[in-house]
Amino acid sequence: AQSVTQLGSHVSVSEGALVLLRCNYSSSVPPYLFWYVQYPNQGLQLLLKYTSAATLVKGINGFEAEFKKSETSFHLTKPSAHMSDAAEYFCAVSPKGEKLVFGKGTKLTVNP
Amino acid sequence: DAMVIQNPRYQVTQFGKPVTLSCSQTLNHNVMYWYQQKSSQAPKLLFHYYDKDFNNEADTPDNFQSRRPNTSFCFLDIRSPGLGDAAMYLCATSIRVLYEQYFGPGTRLTVT
Repeated sequence: AQSVTQLGSHVSVSEGALVLLRCNYSSSVPPYLFWYVQYPNQGLQLLLKYTSAATLVKGINGFEAEFKKSETSFHLTKPSAHMSDAAEYFCAVSPKGEKLVFGKGTKLTVNP
Repeated sequence: DAMVIQNPRYQVTQFGKPVTLSCSQTLNHNVMYWYQQKSSQAPKLLFHYYDKDFNNEADTPDNFQSRRPNTSFCFLDIRSPGLGDAAMYLCATSIRVLYEQYFGPGTRLTVT
């Protein structure tokens, strides 16, 4: 069965610092990979997706993620955190042709 | 703007009293999903429709039903809500099953 592991259920950074949210997946075939963000009492918003094109994927709000097949990772980064980035982030994998499998989420706190 | 709309945003129901949650979309997507998300957890897929074809997850309780009368609308019926059914219910759509999903804002269900 496919799975997604997000290391760190809570990550805290200072405003202006680098944001790094980790995601590792298990898949027997190269999957599609997604990062979603969820603000309190809201639905999930797609940040970016990897669908076997470029390994470095740029998304909205200055986020990007790099697909590393050798490490089965798809970590999310942002060079400089803003207060508005405080939210919960979900990594998800979709083995081609199958449903999304979500990680457990990482709650990002941004300190002034 | 094309979007996924969920009504109501907040729903309070009594233990055992049937409740229906509504989802509509203007994206003209083929697939519509219902997820249950409990506090600090990842969304859990309940079922999805691919056009008119209904696909139930194996571990979705019989208490949960769904209807899709047309492309734009999808309903979640909870026949006899229990206290354990209190959660955020998210509707999502996608063009095809393996494509990215677009989420509505969610309906937060409280069971008293």
